[in-house]
Order: sequence, then C-alpha cells, then structure tokens
Amino acid sequence: NAGVTQTPKFRVLKTGQSMTLLCAQDMNHEYMYWYRQDPGMGLRLIHYSVGEGTTAKGEVPDGYNVSRLKKQNFLLGLESAAPSQTSVYFCASSTAPDRVGNQPQHFGDGTRLSIL
Amino acid sequence: GQSLEQPSEVTAVEGAIVQINCTYQTSGFYGLSWYQQHDGGAPTFLSYNALDGLEETGRFSSFLSRSDSYGYLLLQELQMKDSASYFCAVRSFMFSGGYNKLIFGAGTRLAVHP
Repeated sequence: NAGVTQTPKFRVLKTGQSMTLLCAQDMNHEYMYWYRQDPGMGLRLIHYSVGEGTTAKGEVPDGYNVSRLKKQNFLLGLESAAPSQTSVYFCASSTAPDRVGNQPQHFGDGTRLSIL
Repeated sequence: GQSLEQPSEVTAVEGAIVQINCTYQTSGFYGLSWYQQHDGGAPTFLSYNALDGLEETGRFSSFLSRSDSYGYLLLQELQMKDSASYFCAVRSFMFSGGYNKLIFGAGTRLAVHP
C-alpha cells in the first residue's frame, strides 16, 4: 500500500527557477493538502483542495500555486523560487470529517527543497 | 488571533510517564488532534478529541477541556522509540474554509533516555 507518495524527495534549485512538486494518493481521498515545515514552526498550510478541480488558500499561499486536475494528484508549483522557500514540503490527504469532526490526515514522506 | 502553545522540549526516562500540554486560543473550536513525527519522517496521526474528557489508545491517551482551551497527550510506559516530536493541531472556523483546515502547534520534542 503506497498511501501518499511525493516526488521528488530532494531538490536543489537556484533563485528564480521554477519547479513542480507532485503528490499522489491511492486511498481515494477527497481532501488533499500541501504544508511546509520549517525548524521550530511546525506545519503551515500552503494550499488545500476539497475535491477534484477545487483549490483554496491556506496560511502561507504567497509564491505558490496548486492544481488538482485528477482526484488522486495534487501539484504544488513554485513559479520563481526564492531562498525563503527553502523548507521541507509535506503533502497530506484525508477523507471528509466523520460525525464528530475527526479527519486524520495521511502524510507523504516529504520533499526537502533547498533554494540557493 | 489564533495560536497554539506547547513546550518545545520534554525529557523522560524509559518506563516513565510523560504529559505534553497544549493550550490554544481560537474561535469556533471544533476539535484537537495529536500527531507524532520521528526525525526525518512524516507526521502520523495519534488521536482526536472533540468532546471534553480522556481518549485512550494503548499506551497513549489524550485529554481535552474545552472550557479551559487546553489539552494534553499522555504517554505511558515510555520506550526509546517514543523519542519524536509531537504536534497538537486544532480545527476551527476561524477562517473561511476553516472547517477543512488544521492549524498546528510548533511541536514538542520528546527525548526518552535509558
């Protein structure tokens, strides 16, 4: 069982370059999320999606774009990378909340991105 | 505003019990979750509390007091493999679409020693 798969696992970019991070889930989850994790700051939500074809902004959306063309895939794009975007990026997916609001998120192993 | 506070580090010995506290300030609170993350790994879901009281799952328990805006994660019979970071997270209606979002605390790093 693959769960949530992120590619690539590591990447080094130069300032101004663009790239796309891919997230794929095989659990038929409706909801998908992109987070970034920086030392001492926990996980911060960048963008999320509650279904195919829909996306919404999270806490720190600036400098990122996303697309959810297929239910199983959620892409995160950096159009012009900046050193401040050096971070570990996690993708997660979940079902809709249950009757008490529980909605465990399943995370990928992360993408470690360095921007020089 | 919206904020979560948890201790940055906790140290304990094998076999002991440790409690990791989380206080939150938010409007439209819906529930409190806990996640575990080992170094270099992915966060994994541990527990969720929507109502006041204690939820037990094996060696781990989680507690919530909505009136005090406070919760904790209790780890019993600590093992070396429990050394990890633990994050509390809240779901609230603070922002548009807030129901579908989790806001995470900065995490508590637990070190278990022999």
